Amino acid sequence: RKEVEQDPGPFNVPEGATVAFNCTYSNSASQSFFWYRQDCRKEPKLLMSVYSSGNEDGRFTAQLNRASQYISLLIRDSKLSDSATYLCVVNMNRDDKIIFGKGTRLHILP
Amino acid sequence: NAGVTQTPKFQVLKTGQSMTLQCAQDMNHEYMSWYRQDPGMGLRLIHYSVGAGITDQGEVPNGYNVSRSTTEDFPLRLLSAAPSQTSVYFCASSYEGLGLGDEQFFGPGTRLTVL
Repeated sequence: RKEVEQDPGPFNVPEGATVAFNCTYSNSASQSFFWYRQDCRKEPKLLMSVYSSGNEDGRFTAQLNRASQYISLLIRDSKLSDSATYLCVVNMNRDDKIIFGKGTRLHILP
Repeated sequence: NAGVTQTPKFQVLKTGQSMTLQCAQDMNHEYMSWYRQDPGMGLRLIHYSVGAGITDQGEVPNGYNVSRSTTEDFPLRLLSAAPSQTSVYFCASSYEGLGLGDEQFFGPGTRLTVL
């Protein structure tokens, strides 16, 4: 099993719809989880951290399921500007190594 | 604050040449790292540092060297460039690793082509 796995997509979603994607991780001892956003030919930027109890930031909701070892990102009322690649990031809690998933591409359609 | 800066933005090398990619941050961050990003491969960790004088290998360290003589700078050296090192290179820093809520800040990237 790969350390961090994401569906590469692309997810083609009409504007205003809700979209969700997951990220699975292999190391049950992982402690920290994040979603980053990367626009085309740009650097990744933090979207949100993922807390054990789940957390929300405006239209974005992140959840952690430790039993099944995955995190999820839900985007409500999607906007054209949400089109990007979403990277799942896991701190493996092993030698301070941080592992990025390969990313999920999201296209919001007008 | 300039954040994380990287130079050069673009570079073309011939096979066998060496060069250094520069990375600097002005946020007094302890943790710095280098990634390469290739199509379909995501970001892969090359080397990282948890503080001045301390470096360690990531997933794909072969062909690269790093040093961390100051908190601010974390250069990446390509010893003898190969076409397989054609990639986009990102430098990142964070306050002290990736604990909960510890955001990594990325530089704008260096696009390297090895002919």
